[in-house]
Amino acid sequence: NAGVTQTPKFQVLKTGQSMTLQCAQDMNHNSMYWYRQDPGMGLRLIYYSASEGTTDKGEVPNGYNVSRLNKREFSLRLESAAPSQTSVYFCASSPDSYEQYFGPGTRLTVT
Amino acid sequence: GQQLNQSPQSMFIQEGEDVSMNCTSSSIFNTWLWYKQEPGEGPVLLIALYKAGELTSNGRLTAQFGITRKDSFLNISASIPSDVGIYFCAGRPPGGGKLIFGQGTTLQVKP
Repeated sequence: NAGVTQTPKFQVLKTGQSMTLQCAQDMNHNSMYWYRQDPGMGLRLIYYSASEGTTDKGEVPNGYNVSRLNKREFSLRLESAAPSQTSVYFCASSPDSYEQYFGPGTRLTVT
Repeated sequence: GQQLNQSPQSMFIQEGEDVSMNCTSSSIFNTWLWYKQEPGEGPVLLIALYKAGELTSNGRLTAQFGITRKDSFLNISASIPSDVGIYFCAGRPPGGGKLIFGQGTTLQVKP
């Protein structure tokens, strides 16, 4: 039982490049989330998916898109990366919108 | 929007000391969660609280859901070096809103 897995662990992009961050969970959870973490700012919600087939914007969605591919997988896409998107990205899942379980994170640098 | 004020921002203590930190808000919450994040890792759920006044322990950790529903407290007894990390509180507002995270308390323990 791996919990929440994220790939890649590290990534460096040039401004304007695109990439997709992958997240998968094996706990049969309904809800999945994408957060970014910046120094001194805690965790900020980018997008979430309350159930398979639905996605909604969080606090900081600009510059990102998401896909809930199936119940297990929730991907985050940066279409045209900007230096302001340099951050650590965490995926989380939840069985019931209460307790959330986090993956190990993806450390993204945009130059 | 709703915010959580977590204090202190950082603590540097001696091994063996007890630690107290808290999270406050001007709004009420139905659920309080406490997470610990170690360097380079994702947040790990420590304790979940669901009722006002609830007191829950997990080993040397004890957390309380404030009677007013606007605050929560986390205590760590007899700290050890592996307690080092960032501790986050998170609250879930009434009506099924998304989790809101505090900005974290960074704990350092001197052996």
